[in-house]
Amino acid sequence: EPEVTQTPSHQVTQMGQEVILRCVPISNHLYFYWYRQILGQKVEFLVSFYNNEISEKSEIFDDQFSVERPDGSNFTLKIRSTKLEDSAMYFCASSEEARAGDTQYFGPGTRLTVL
Amino acid sequence: DQQVKQNSPSLSVQEGRISILNCDYTNSMFDYFLWYKKYPAEGPTFLISISSIKDKNEDGRFTVFLNKSAKHLSLHIVPSQPGDSAVYFCAASARNQGGKLIFGQGTELSVKP
Repeated sequence: EPEVTQTPSHQVTQMGQEVILRCVPISNHLYFYWYRQILGQKVEFLVSFYNNEISEKSEIFDDQFSVERPDGSNFTLKIRSTKLEDSAMYFCASSEEARAGDTQYFGPGTRLTVL
Repeated sequence: DQQVKQNSPSLSVQEGRISILNCDYTNSMFDYFLWYKKYPAEGPTFLISISSIKDKNEDGRFTVFLNKSAKHLSLHIVPSQPGDSAVYFCAASARNQGGKLIFGQGTELSVKP
């Protein structure tokens, strides 16, 4: 069964450093998302992406964040200068469409630890 | 942002009995609701969804009920199995928001043999 994959599974970085989290969405999906879950809190939407453009972004997704689809398979989330509060699980998801109710399939997540 | 709320952080049921997980929402623009299941160290896994034009959707042991007037939905699992033990998230989306999901806080279900 096709699945969303994410690398690395765990990333440890120093405050102020740049990190890039990688995702390979399901191959025939056209819509891509990033969510995050800070320990003990709810899963929060960060950004959605379609046709090489951001479709929607949350207040969390400020200038320190960027997304890119550098080739036909990868979808990346870059955090330019990490802060302690960026420590969280980051989940990538993809869907065939972006209609309300279209099922989003999630990857296993990358645990980001900022020291 | 408390648009989607799951007020019970945990639930414990006996194997074979019914599990009922509840979710409330405040935004009347939501028109799709989804339930995801999450095991530790894994991503959320889609379970079942319901459109706002329906009041019930069933898939095997899982049934979701939607009460629009009360802005309330529930997930019923019957019979419950130990493998159902996980965190269950309710999520909602609105037609004009490009698929963005708003999640509840989750309810940890423990099914005891």
